[in-house]
Amino acid sequence: EPEVTQTPSHQVTQMGQEVILRCVPISNHLYFYWYRQILGQKVEFLVSFYNNEISEKSEIFDDQFSVERPDGSNFTLKIRSTKLEDSAMYFCASRGPATSGGTQYFGPGTRLLVL
Amino acid sequence: AQSVTQLDSHVSVSEGTPVLLRCNYSSSYSPSLFWYVQHPNKGLQLLLKYTSAATLVKGINGFEAEFKKSETSFHLTKPSAHMSDAAEYFCVVTRMDSSYKLIFGSGTRLLVRP
Repeated sequence: EPEVTQTPSHQVTQMGQEVILRCVPISNHLYFYWYRQILGQKVEFLVSFYNNEISEKSEIFDDQFSVERPDGSNFTLKIRSTKLEDSAMYFCASRGPATSGGTQYFGPGTRLLVL
Repeated sequence: AQSVTQLDSHVSVSEGTPVLLRCNYSSSYSPSLFWYVQHPNKGLQLLLKYTSAATLVKGINGFEAEFKKSETSFHLTKPSAHMSDAAEYFCVVTRMDSSYKLIFGSGTRLLVRP
């Protein structure tokens, strides 16, 4: 069964450093998402991406964040200058067309720790 | 605006007894509703979804949920709990607009006692 994959599974970085989190969505999906879950808190929407542009972003997704689909398979989240409060589990998700019911399929997550 | 409220942060049941995880939603539009499960150190797995078809929805691993518009509820049930059901469960709402972003509840941790 096709699945969303994410790399790395864990990332430790120093405050102020740039990190890139990578995702490979399900191959025939066209809509891509990033969510994050700070330890002990809700899963929060960050950004949605379709047709090579952001379709919606949350207040969390400020200028320090960017997303890109650099080729036909990868979908990346970049944090330009990490802060302590960026420590969280980051989930990538993808979905097929609306006719498939709008279900989003999640990757296993990348646990980011900012020191 | 849309939101979901999961009424219990923790639920503890004995193996073999029924499971009830409660969820109420708020939505200005006809919502789509989902339950996702997260096992320890794992990602989010879809259990079931409601998208305006049948109000009683069956999912994987024997779980089901009933959409009740009059009560704005979407409670998750299972007739008989198994030890492997111990996990965090998230009730999720979305609106079928351009982005379909998911709004998560705060989660319910299910503990299954032997």
